[in-house]
Amino acid sequence: GENVEQHPSTLSVQEGDSAVIKCTYSDSASNYFPWYKQELGKGPQLIIDIRSNVGEKKDQRIAVTLNKTAKHFSLHITETQPEDSAVYFCAASKAGGTSYGKLTFGQGTILTVHP
Amino acid sequence: EAQVTQNPRYLITVTGKKLTVTCSQNMNHEYMSWYRQDPGLGLRQIYYSMNVEVTDKGDVPEGYKVSRKEKRNFPLILESPSPNQTSLYFCASSRGGEKLFFGSGTQLSVL
Repeated sequence: GENVEQHPSTLSVQEGDSAVIKCTYSDSASNYFPWYKQELGKGPQLIIDIRSNVGEKKDQRIAVTLNKTAKHFSLHITETQPEDSAVYFCAASKAGGTSYGKLTFGQGTILTVHP
Repeated sequence: EAQVTQNPRYLITVTGKKLTVTCSQNMNHEYMSWYRQDPGLGLRQIYYSMNVEVTDKGDVPEGYKVSRKEKRNFPLILESPSPNQTSLYFCASSRGGEKLFFGSGTQLSVL
């Protein structure tokens, strides 16, 4: 089955700095890669996602890049703010077909943004 | 308001006492799934359902049961809970298995 590794497990930055979280996946058939943000006491919330036919996607201060050859994808947050502090999860799945239901998450990254 | 509702929010039980965690969504989503969250392990999928009466195992299904008799509900059943099932549980729903909407979680402690 799919295996997703996420690094680092914790990340501490100063307000205004950039933060980068990286994930690798094992199944070359995976084609959908979402990122979720989990604030304390809440369920995860989708912040951005990318499909395998796209190399990069950006939404304001958040961007995701995908390298299919190397089987890794990354989340980039620019101009970090204290409200970006949360746990971030990457995930991988095969969208479409008969096996789209299985979604494998990474271990999570605790991001702390210091004012 | 679009939401996924889980109940209860907190549950303490004893080994072997059957329990059910309910999950309901009001978005008419075909897809629903259950995850458990443990420190250092991230979110692991227990079961998922692509539509009414269609369910399949995720990565950690042992010790759990599910049913999908109605589109809006997807209960998680632990018939004989054990301490290793102490965890934070999340239900999620979506259209087509992408862009998941998560509930607020159920913290389960099995003594």
